[in-house]
Amino acid sequence: KQEVTQIPAALSVPEGENLVLNCSFTDSAIYNLQWFRQDPGKGLTSLLLIQSSQREQTSGRLNASLDKSSGRSTLYIAASQPGDSATYLCAPNGGGGNKLTFGTGTQLKVEL
Amino acid sequence: IAGITQAPTSQILAAGRRMTLRCTQDMRHNAMYWYRQDLGLGLRLIHYSNTAGTTGKGEVPDGYSVSRANTDDFPLTLASAVPSQTSVYFCASSGTPGQGRDEQFFGPGTRLTVL
Repeated sequence: KQEVTQIPAALSVPEGENLVLNCSFTDSAIYNLQWFRQDPGKGLTSLLLIQSSQREQTSGRLNASLDKSSGRSTLYIAASQPGDSATYLCAPNGGGGNKLTFGTGTQLKVEL
Repeated sequence: IAGITQAPTSQILAAGRRMTLRCTQDMRHNAMYWYRQDLGLGLRLIHYSNTAGTTGKGEVPDGYSVSRANTDDFPLTLASAVPSQTSVYFCASSGTPGQGRDEQFFGPGTRLTVL
């Protein structure tokens, strides 16, 4: 059974810092991996989807990397802003019907 | 374009009552999913459907049923609600799995309290 761990569980940084969120998963036989953000009381917003054949995927200030063999993904956020404050979730997809397994997330607070 | 809509937004329900959570998407996605989110446990898959007319069980299917009569709608039914089903329920959709359109998109959620 896939298990997903996200470290740190919570993070508070001053505005403008570059930061890295970590995700590890136990079963490396994944099809792809998706990163989401969730604002309090809201649904999930998809940030990036990285295929198992890719090593990196970029969208604006966000960059996700994937090391499938070691079971790790990182989300890099450049020049953080208060609007980036949210919970970030990673979810590897084990295939066989597009089944995502979620970590419990990293709660990020970017302070002025 | 609305994306995915869910109804109701929130509901308080007496134990033993029947409840159907509604989900509609307008993206013509073949696949749809139901998740529940509980503090400390993350999101867990309840049921899924890869295409209209088919459904499958996820990680926590007991006490829930789904149907997929058409592409757009994927209702989730609790036949006899119990307090442990108190949770936030999210519906999601994606293109056909395995065809390069796997990105999942989520609805705003339904907050359900069973007393």
